Amino acid sequence: DGGITQSPKYLFRKEGQNVTLSCEQNLNHDAMYWYRQDPGQGLRLIYYSQIVNDFQKGDIAEGYSVSREKKESFPLTVTSAQKNPTAFYLCASSIYRGSNQPQHFGDGTRLSIL
Amino acid sequence: QKEVEQNSGPLSVPEGAIASLNCTYSDRVSQSFFWYRQYSGKSPELIMSIYSNGDKEDGRFTAQLNKASQYVSLLIRDSQPSDSATYLCAVSWASGSARQLTFGSGTQLTVLP
Repeated sequence: DGGITQSPKYLFRKEGQNVTLSCEQNLNHDAMYWYRQDPGQGLRLIYYSQIVNDFQKGDIAEGYSVSREKKESFPLTVTSAQKNPTAFYLCASSIYRGSNQPQHFGDGTRLSIL
Repeated sequence: QKEVEQNSGPLSVPEGAIASLNCTYSDRVSQSFFWYRQYSGKSPELIMSIYSNGDKEDGRFTAQLNKASQYVSLLIRDSQPSDSATYLCAVSWASGSARQLTFGSGTQLTVLP
């Protein structure tokens, strides 16, 4: 089945630790996105990538890093510089950059601080 | 700063009634508008896309777009308890050669049996 796979579903971070959230898609989509959702709020864009080896900061990129070495994969690293990482993280993709087509989401990763 | 505002809710309607969800946006050049449904603890699921002024119907859902008033709405007819969820309005806008979505904070809908 085509879709977006995020792992793990739940993740716990210790103080001073970097953690990496995985996002893989087999939809052959060019564009991929990372969002953060806090309770009772909408989605805020962290980073996005329109093509391989290129990515752009979103509205809340501080404390996060990404890579896009393969079209299918867009991992997000939450660094120790992100002081309030507890949130629901959502990965999305859309068919190609500049498209008016909608974004489709993975099932998300819940990150908490130990 | 692109802004998307939704009626804050929560909104409660009886089963079988029409639920009306509203959204306004700040960017006059936005071209694409989406409604997502998000069940508690789950990821958003696309339920409607609308690109031109007027109404678009899909089953029990109708999206309405008025670009002059910068307003988009979602009507759910014959509401069912399974429609109870948070509904997110999203507006697409150009950022260089790319397009981004700005989301509203969502309206929580409860359909009472």
